[in-house]
Amino acid sequence: DAGVIQSPRHEVTEMGQEVTLRCKPISGHDYLFWYRQTMMRGLELLIYFNNNVPIDDSGMPEDRFSAKMPNASFSTLKIQPSEPRDSAVYFCASSLVGANTGELFFGEGSRLTVL
Amino acid sequence: DAKTTQPNSMESNEEEPVHLPCNHSTISGTDYIHWYRQLPSQGPEYVIHGLTSNVNNRMASLAIAEDRKSSTLILHRATLRDAAVYYCILVKNYGQNFVFGPGTRLSVLP
Repeated sequence: DAGVIQSPRHEVTEMGQEVTLRCKPISGHDYLFWYRQTMMRGLELLIYFNNNVPIDDSGMPEDRFSAKMPNASFSTLKIQPSEPRDSAVYFCASSLVGANTGELFFGEGSRLTVL
Repeated sequence: DAKTTQPNSMESNEEEPVHLPCNHSTISGTDYIHWYRQLPSQGPEYVIHGLTSNVNNRMASLAIAEDRKSSTLILHRATLRDAAVYYCILVKNYGQNFVFGPGTRLSVLP
């Protein structure tokens, strides 16, 4: 398996623009997680899905952020409008049977820079 | 939620064992102890996890104190590739909220 695939790897945009980050989880995994990493705040869980259903989105910073999982093989994290403080590395991760009893597999991340 | 405490940084010499400590004095009976590491410019990767008994796998060993208030990740022979940030995380049974702290930055000297 190719692992968790994220795109784009790098994105530079201007404040106010819409940003869409994409994730393809490992086939067969039933949990999908979105994390954000910054120097100041470290790794933060934004939202996670189980069988395509959002379970906990309490980490989503504000209404500018939204995440969807239309099917088992694809998820998006959208920021609209983007702001400079959204600059971070965004990681997607997936797992089978839930991360507490198994492994979380992370993608390589999408580095977002908002000017 | 139970928290973990780890040293900010540690150093090791190549090919020597490394013991990375983690304190979790408020751990509950259903909390699993997980370790992940993050190599430079990569996403975190799973290392090992356990509940009560010590665990071994191809990457490392996990030693869990009898009272479960602390644990130690053991790398038996550190290599340069083991230089990374190591995270000790508590995960509630059936819980999914992995709370990553700042971790321990391990430097391996040749």
